[in-house]
Amino acid sequence: IAGITQAPTSQILAAGRRMTLRCTQDMRHNAMYWYRQDLGLGLRLIHYSNTAGTTGKGEVPDGYSVSRANTDDFPLTLASAVPSQTSVYFCASSKLAGGPDTQYFGPGTRLTVL
Amino acid sequence: GQNIDQPTEMTATEGAIVQINCTYQTSGFNGLFWYQQHAGEAPTFLSYNVLDGLEEKGRFSSFLSRSKGYSYLLLKELQMKDSASYLCAVRDRDYKLSFGAGTTVTVRA
Repeated sequence: IAGITQAPTSQILAAGRRMTLRCTQDMRHNAMYWYRQDLGLGLRLIHYSNTAGTTGKGEVPDGYSVSRANTDDFPLTLASAVPSQTSVYFCASSKLAGGPDTQYFGPGTRLTVL
Repeated sequence: GQNIDQPTEMTATEGAIVQINCTYQTSGFNGLFWYQQHAGEAPTFLSYNVLDGLEEKGRFSSFLSRSKGYSYLLLKELQMKDSASYLCAVRDRDYKLSFGAGTTVTVRA
């Protein structure tokens, strides 16, 4: 593994189903983030975690939950998917150590909820 | 919160220069980023400004004026591979990023 990986790459899901998007990073970054990207709206922050064991809500958290049991993994769960959650989901991570503190993005998961 | 505006689309000719403007209103400014995103791919970091002025990195330069809430990304000597979306993002004091909707640049031969 080099950087950030996400799984699955894409998924078609029936409305009402539960779904977990996986994200793993091997850079030992402190902070991790989940974004959704929709046409015309750009990237919007769903949830974030500044360190293992803590999480916070972003701009659009409703319908989503996260956990951060360790440094490397940050899964995003849709408890009961709805069609408005159709989107491309990106996981990102950063050192959270001041300065540029660039966020690095995973390859994304394309989710379609029918 | 942040309110970030950038043009939706721009078209330019190979070898030319294109300037992508970004204006923002922020409740706590802590840096401005530009990312490049090719279709179907993840965003990748291009530049970072936290102080006023110009940051140059090869063919790409980024400018910031904090008093005006304004930045631009300058792409010089355009190449076909520069066809992509360019995302302006503002960081707040909690180190969270807010993104503009992105500017799609099309480079024509």
